[in-house]
Amino acid sequence: GAGVSQSPRYKVTKRGQDVALRCDPISGHVSLYWYRQALGQGPEFLTYFNYEAQQDKSGLPNDRFSAERPEGSISTLTIQRTEQRDSAMYRCASSLGGNQPQHFGDGTRLSIL
Amino acid sequence: DAKTTQPNSMESNEEEPVHLPCNHSTISGTDYIHWYRQLPSQGPEYVIHGLTSNVNNRMASLAIAEDRKSSTLILHRATLRDAAVYYCILRDVGGELTGANNLFFGTGTRLTVIP
Repeated sequence: GAGVSQSPRYKVTKRGQDVALRCDPISGHVSLYWYRQALGQGPEFLTYFNYEAQQDKSGLPNDRFSAERPEGSISTLTIQRTEQRDSAMYRCASSLGGNQPQHFGDGTRLSIL
Repeated sequence: DAKTTQPNSMESNEEEPVHLPCNHSTISGTDYIHWYRQLPSQGPEYVIHGLTSNVNNRMASLAIAEDRKSSTLILHRATLRDAAVYYCILRDVGGELTGANNLFFGTGTRLTVIP
C-alpha cells in the first residue's frame, strides 16, 4: 500500500520567504509526527498530532515554525521568514496509534539561500 | 526521557551475524526498547521493539538483559542491504497518555557490511 508521502521532495528558497511542507500520512493512521534532520545526525522531534489535535509542539524551535492537521489527515508544517539555519531534511512519520511503530516518508530537503 | 548509549560504528562481514549493543542504564519500568534503522538517503525504518522478553521478527532479534539495562539487536546474517545507521530508542508506554510520544534518535551506530 501507499506509504507516507511528503511534498515537495526538494525546496530551495530565499531567506525571508515563507515555506509550507506537506505530509500525507498512511490512510487510517491516527498519529502524525514531524522531525527535522541535519546532515550526519539523527532526526530531531518537532511536533506530534493525534487526529487533528496537536499533542506536543515542544520541539518546534521558535514561533516561526507552526504545524496543522485540520481534518486529521494531511498535515502542513509552515516556516515563516525562513533563515539559513532552517536548511535541513524535514521528515514526517505516521502511526496507527501513539505507541505503534512509526512509518517515515522520504522527507523534504529544504535549502535556504 | 531515559537515554541510550551505542557505539558510533561497527563493521561486519557479509553473511555473518551482527550483534549491535545498546546500554540504557536509566531505563524505567514503563520504557519499551525500540530499534529503528536508516539506510542511506532514506527515512528511518522500524525494526523491532520489546519490553522484557526477547523478541524475534523477520528482520532481526532483540535480546534484552534480565535487568533491562542493556539490549542487543541481532541480525542473523548481514547482507549489504543491512548497511545503515541503527538507533536504539526508549519509549514510555504511557507516552500516548502524557503526550510525550516522540522518538529520541540520538546518533546511533553506523553499520558497515564488508562484502
